[in-house]
Amino acid sequence: EPEVTQTPSHQVTQMGQEVILRCVPISNHLYFYWYRQILGQKVEFLVSFYNNEISEKSEIFDDQFSVERPDGSNFTLKIRSTKLEDSAMYFCASSEGVRVTGYTFGSGTRLTVV
Amino acid sequence: GESVGLHLPTLSVQEGDNSIINCAYSNSASDYFIWYKQESGKGPQFIIDIRSNMDKRQGQRVTVLLNKTVKHLSLQIAATQPGDSAVYFCAHGGTSYGKLTFGQGTILTVHP
Repeated sequence: EPEVTQTPSHQVTQMGQEVILRCVPISNHLYFYWYRQILGQKVEFLVSFYNNEISEKSEIFDDQFSVERPDGSNFTLKIRSTKLEDSAMYFCASSEGVRVTGYTFGSGTRLTVV
Repeated sequence: GESVGLHLPTLSVQEGDNSIINCAYSNSASDYFIWYKQESGKGPQFIIDIRSNMDKRQGQRVTVLLNKTVKHLSLQIAATQPGDSAVYFCAHGGTSYGKLTFGQGTILTVHP
């Protein structure tokens, strides 16, 4: 069964450092997303991406965040200057369409900012 | 605003019992709803979805019920098994471009 792959599974970084979280969406999917989940809390939408541009972003997705699809397979989330409160699980997801079943999540990257 | 919430944060059942997990939503323009299962250290795993033009949908051992009048969604799991133990999230989509809004989650514990 097709999977969304995320690397690394766990990233520890010092406050103020830049991190890049990587994702390989399912190959025939056209829509890509990032979500985050602070420990013990609900999953929160960060950003959606389609046709090489951001479709929608949440209030969490401020100027410190950026996304990129550098090639035909990868989808990345960059946090320029990490803060302690950025510590969370970050999930990548992809879907064939906006409203189509098959919206698939990766296993996540646990980001710990120290 | 748009939100999705859960009535019960935890649910403990015996193996073989039926489980019901509930969810309330506030946006009447909701287009579709999805139930996800999340096991420890993993991402949300799709269970079943339902569109706003339906009130019931069945899968393998799972049934989702949608009551648009009271903006309520439920997930029924038949003959619950220990492997069903996880956190269950409802999520709502359709009013924004691919965005899903998640509820808080219910921890389901199945005792052998």
